Amino acid sequence: AQTVTQSQPEMSVQEAETVTLSCTYDTSESDYYLFWYKQPPSRQMILVIRQEAYKQQNATENRFSVNFQKAAKSFSLKISDSQLGDAAMYFCAYREGDTGTASKLTFGTGTRLQVTL
Amino acid sequence: DAGITQSPRHKVTETGTPVTLRCHQTENHRYMYWYRQDPGHGLRLIHYSYGVKDTDKGEVSDGYSVSRSKTEDFLLTLESATSSQTSVYFCATTPLRSGSSEQFFGPGTRLTVL
Repeated sequence: AQTVTQSQPEMSVQEAETVTLSCTYDTSESDYYLFWYKQPPSRQMILVIRQEAYKQQNATENRFSVNFQKAAKSFSLKISDSQLGDAAMYFCAYREGDTGTASKLTFGTGTRLQVTL
Repeated sequence: DAGITQSPRHKVTETGTPVTLRCHQTENHRYMYWYRQDPGHGLRLIHYSYGVKDTDKGEVSDGYSVSRSKTEDFLLTLESATSSQTSVYFCATTPLRSGSSEQFFGPGTRLTVL
């Protein structure tokens, strides 16, 4: 079974600074997808960024980028120019490739990000 | 945003009572999922559906059952609620089986079992 580990329960960053959230995963598959979700206090789950395992290029979405190290099974999220609105719980998630009956997500335990002035 | 609603949004119940949570979507997505969120555990999959009347168990299915009689509705039932089922429950949908297909989440239901 796949597992996703987020070893940082809490992180703090000053506004306008850069922060990196860590995620490692364990799988024997070669085809899979990785995601970062943001959960603000409203509880809504919001997709931040996704990465296909077959792509060597790291995904970027505006101020959000990932460092995907397939051999090391590492998938970290970098937030640049942090803003107060980035304060939230962040979840790393793994999804199997295009096999099986349905694509299920396996989540890490989350990292709570605090943004300070 | 995908049109996903969950009802009720909050519920307090007593141990031993049956509880049904409803997920309703207007996007005609084929795949639907129920997750529970607990501190220290992230979100864990309870059950999922890959079509009308097609369901399967997830990681933490004990004590839960589901039904899907039409595309838009996915029901989660706790036959006899226990305090360990106090949690926040999320429904999610996706249109495709492909791993790249985004899962869209509902707003969640906070369930407290006394």
